[in-house]
Parts: sequence; structure tokens; C-alpha cells
Amino acid sequence: DVKVTQSSRYLVKRTGEKVFLECVQDMDHENMFWYRQDPGLGLRLIYFSYDVKMKEKGDIPEGYSVSREKKERFSLILESASTNQTSMYLCASSLPGQGRNEQFFGPGTRLTVL
Amino acid sequence: QQQVKQSPQSLIVQKGGISIINCAYENTAFDYFPWYQQFPGKGPALLIAIRPDVSEKKEGRFTISFNKSAKQFSLHIMDSQPGDSATYFCAARKRVFSGGYNKLIFGAGTRLAVHP
Repeated sequence: DVKVTQSSRYLVKRTGEKVFLECVQDMDHENMFWYRQDPGLGLRLIYFSYDVKMKEKGDIPEGYSVSREKKERFSLILESASTNQTSMYLCASSLPGQGRNEQFFGPGTRLTVL
Repeated sequence: QQQVKQSPQSLIVQKGGISIINCAYENTAFDYFPWYQQFPGKGPALLIAIRPDVSEKKEGRFTISFNKSAKQFSLHIMDSQPGDSATYFCAARKRVFSGGYNKLIFGAGTRLAVHP
């Protein structure tokens, strides 16, 4: 079974804090993604990575950065957390190629910024 | 601007009924249309998917109908059960570059409640 794990299920941080969200996948997938999920907005892509040390901006990268030092691990960093970054954060991974399209998601981290 | 528009936002269906969720898109470059199902406290999981050269795909009680000319696709859940209560997301795939990466654009989601 593909497993994508996220370091925390719930996180409460204060405005201005630096926040690290960690994601680990155990299926040797090349592609990894970070989304945020907000009611009425669906899933919006923040960043993705198609290889170690490679990253591309998604649709809403402002206020976020990412790090991928190892193939199995993809970190999302909030440099200076703000209240509008209160959200559910989902990590996903997938194989590359046109025929292997399924993205496997972690359970999510619900982040509250006070 | 939402590239994939999903409706309704929420849906209540009686057990045994048919649940229908609709999605529409504008970008003709989309080439793959999956549906994801998300239960409370879990991440989304792939439910069923269709390519635009097919008008219908059925897997058990779940069917995708695809209308390429109208740029619309829908999920039908036959004989809906309380265990189907979840949030459903339609999505469309856009190739970012030739090679490995495929970007999914998600709809806003539909919260389905199936009452016994």
C-alpha cells in the first residue's frame, strides 16, 4: 500500500512564526505536491517537486517555500506565518508519466495561525 | 478564476437514490479527468477517472459521463449508501511539460450526505 504520512495532524502557531510541515512517502515516487484545502475553493496547488532538489511553483506559492533534499521527503515552509494561512494542508505523491496519473494523498495537517 | 467548476456545493440524497455531481471546464488542453473521494479526517483518494475519448466509464455503482463538445463531465452514484457520504472532487489534468509532470486542477468539491 502506498503510504504518504504527514508529520502533524493538527498544528497551532502564532503569527510571524516559521512553520515546517513535513511529508514522507514510501513508494519511491518522483513527484510530490503540496496543496491547501479551503471550503468552497477545493484543493489549490502550492508547490510541486518532480525530483530531488527540483521544485516548481503551483498556483498559490506566495508566502511559502519548499525543500526536497531526499526523494521520499518534501517539506513545506511558511517563512512567517499569517492568519490567512490557516488551512488544511495536504501532501501528495505520484509516479511520473502520462499513464500513471494517480496522486496519493496524506491525511492532511490542519494548521491554525493565531 | 476557477478552471474547473463543480456543482452542487452540497447534496443530500436518500439511501438507494442516485447522486449526481457535475463539473465543467474551459481548457481544451485537459486530457484526463479523475474524481477523488475524501472521507472526514482523510486525504482524498482516487475513485474513478476517464479520458476524453470515452463518453462513459463505469466501476461498480460509480459512473462518469463525459461530454466533450459541451466540456462537461459528471459523476453518478447509483444506489447511494450512507457509506458514500464524503466530499467529492472532480479534477482535470494539464500537462506542464513533456516528461513526468501532470498538474491536476481540482473543482471546489461537493459534500454528499446519504441519509438512511
